[in-house]
Amino acid sequence: QVRLQESGPGLVKPSETLSLTCTVSGGSISNLYWSWIRQSPGKGLEWIAYMSYGGSTSYNPSLKSRVTIPVDTSKNQFSLKLNSVTAADTAVYYCARGPNFWSGYEFDYWGQGTLVTVSS
Amino acid sequence: QSALTQPASVSGSPGQSITISCTGSSSDVGGFNSVSWYQQHPGKAPKLLIFEVTKRPSGVSNRFSGSKSGNTASLTISGLQAEDEADYYCISHTRSTTPVVFGGGTKLTVL
Repeated sequence: QVRLQESGPGLVKPSETLSLTCTVSGGSISNLYWSWIRQSPGKGLEWIAYMSYGGSTSYNPSLKSRVTIPVDTSKNQFSLKLNSVTAADTAVYYCARGPNFWSGYEFDYWGQGTLVTVSS
Repeated sequence: QSALTQPASVSGSPGQSITISCTGSSSDVGGFNSVSWYQQHPGKAPKLLIFEVTKRPSGVSNRFSGSKSGNTASLTISGLQAEDEADYYCISHTRSTTPVVFGGGTKLTVL
C-alpha cells in the first residue's frame, strides 16, 4: 500500500517561501509521476505541479514563476517550494501520485493534506 | 470557480441510490475518457473511486459506478450506507494549459 505524508510549517509570513515535503512509503518515487495539489475555500482544488524521477516536470502556468519541486530519491521524498507567498496561497496542500498518463490521468494515492496559512 | 460543475450537495436515505453529476465541456469531460472520482471524509486523504469514467480500482465497492454522456460524467452510489457520507470530487483530463481540471465537490448526506 502506497502512503504519502506531507510535512512542513503550518504558518508562513507574506513574501516568504512556503516549503513542504512529501514522504512516500510503500512505493518508489522513481516510478510514475507525482503532484502537488492545493485546496482553498475560494478556489477549490487546484493542481500546482508534477514531477517524475526521469526529470519531467510541469507547472500550473499561474504559479510557474514561483514554484520548484526538488526531489530526494535517497529519502523517497519530493518537495514543494513556493516563493513570494501571499494570503491567496493559504490552502490545504496535498501531495499525490499522478497524473497517470498511461490510464485516465487519475491520482491514485493522496496524502492527508496539510494546512498552510500565510499571515504575518 | 471550478472548471467542472458539481451540485453542492445531495442526500439520500440508507439503501437508496444517488447520482452526482460533473459537467464540463468538449475540451475536458466530453473530449476524453479520462474522468475520475474521489471520496473524501473530513480530515482524510481523498480516495480514488473511479478512473477512466467507468473503471473501479481494486478494493472499491461495486456500489460505486461511473458513466458519461456528452460533456457530463456521473457517479452513482447504490445501496447507500452511512459510511458513504463524505465529499465527492470529479477530475478530468483537459486540453487546457494544465493536465487536469477539478470539480468543486459535492457533499453527500445520508439521512
